[in-house]
Amino acid sequence: EDKVVQSPLSLVVHEGDTVTLNCSYEVTNFRSLLWYKQEKKAPTFLFMLTSSGIEKKSGRLSSILDKKELSSILNITATQTGDSAIYLCAVEATSGTYKYIFGTGTRLKVLA
Amino acid sequence: GAVVSQHPSRVICKSGTSVKIECRSLDFQATTMFWYRQFPKKSLMLMATSNEGSKATYEQGVEKDKFLINHASLTLSTLTVTSAHPEDSSFYICSARDPFFRDRENGYTFGSGTRLTVV
Repeated sequence: EDKVVQSPLSLVVHEGDTVTLNCSYEVTNFRSLLWYKQEKKAPTFLFMLTSSGIEKKSGRLSSILDKKELSSILNITATQTGDSAIYLCAVEATSGTYKYIFGTGTRLKVLA
Repeated sequence: GAVVSQHPSRVICKSGTSVKIECRSLDFQATTMFWYRQFPKKSLMLMATSNEGSKATYEQGVEKDKFLINHASLTLSTLTVTSAHPEDSSFYICSARDPFFRDRENGYTFGSGTRLTVV
């Protein structure tokens, strides 16, 4: 059965801290891994990763995929209270049709 | 960019009634749309894959007679929660991707979600 697991499930840090969120997966026919940030409603896209070892960066956020270890990390440096959200990892896999399998999510709370 | 509109954003209904949620792709044609359910403080659970012109593919454990999915056109998929009960209260979100990959690098586009409360 396809599975995507994130850790930690929740995290509380102070502004300015650096956090690393983890995502590991076991899926058939891996196609890509995506990170989303969800605050109140629909998830908003952060990164799509398809190749191992290539870091993607956007401001204070960065992410990298390790296909050998079947995992990815999302780093957030100099955290701000606005980073408080649920961070979702999704793996796009094909089993007849393309679909996302979402991870368990990491709930991040950044305290002022 | 690809836009997915979901309606209604919030609905309250009585037990035993049915509720229909619409998901529209506004500027692209979506042969496939996905329906997710999210419990409080939990991740998104894929319920079913909606295929235009054919039957939806349901994930294990999702009752197809309870959650009716119709994808009658390339821009519209509907999810009907039939004979709703309080345990069906949840946040439902649809997603789709432009099949011509105009937004391939941005993954799938999500609707804004529907919060269903059954009283």
